[in-house]
Amino acid sequence: SYVLTQPPSVSVAPGKTATITCEGNNIGSKSVHWYQQKPGQAPKLLMYYNRDRPSGIPERFSGSNSGNTATLTISSVEAGDEADYICQVWNYGEDHLYDFATGTKVTVL
Amino acid sequence: EVQMVESGGGLLKPGGSLRLSCAASGFPFSGAYLSWVRQPPGKGLEWVGHIKSQIDGGTTHYPAFVKDRFLISRDDSKNTLYLQMNSLKTEDTAVYYCTTLSPYYFDLWGRGTLVTVSS
Repeated sequence: SYVLTQPPSVSVAPGKTATITCEGNNIGSKSVHWYQQKPGQAPKLLMYYNRDRPSGIPERFSGSNSGNTATLTISSVEAGDEADYICQVWNYGEDHLYDFATGTKVTVL
Repeated sequence: EVQMVESGGGLLKPGGSLRLSCAASGFPFSGAYLSWVRQPPGKGLEWVGHIKSQIDGGTTHYPAFVKDRFLISRDDSKNTLYLQMNSLKTEDTAVYYCTTLSPYYFDLWGRGTLVTVSS
């Protein structure tokens, strides 16, 4: 399988910008998808194909992917953004088709 | 309303079997690729397997750690996805989510059902 690494936690003040990284070997050659999971809830698709937002996801959430790092950026952070953020990739041609990182807990101060 | 609702979780002993169900509504189920993803307590997400639409062959794919133990099936007439789990181990303890698969990411998720394997 493909190893994805995220920082365990990120803290950010309301109104500021949170940056969450997802590292993997040449991850820029893959499409990265992001999920938001609030405590006690199921994950929710937040971003797909690196930078596309599903309907209903605010423009404050943006994504990029290059080299060995994919990045999820949350601008103008709100208290309701406190959650785990998890990146995921699809592995073409491999037996283990889908890999998830362990996630980053975003705490709003 | 677009939703997926899992059921069938519970407590069972190692070596036991269990079948989970996932009832879907609000979208064209027969054309959807479907998947199971699990999350052990306090841990990350793991892909458990998926099934393609019947029109695309209805084939299934599993990671190595569940092959020959888990079986995914679907009944398009009932808009229901299933996960048959056999030879369960303590490490299979997790919340099991059913999802749609698009096909490189998981877009619609159910609320999950807890499976606990313990002696």
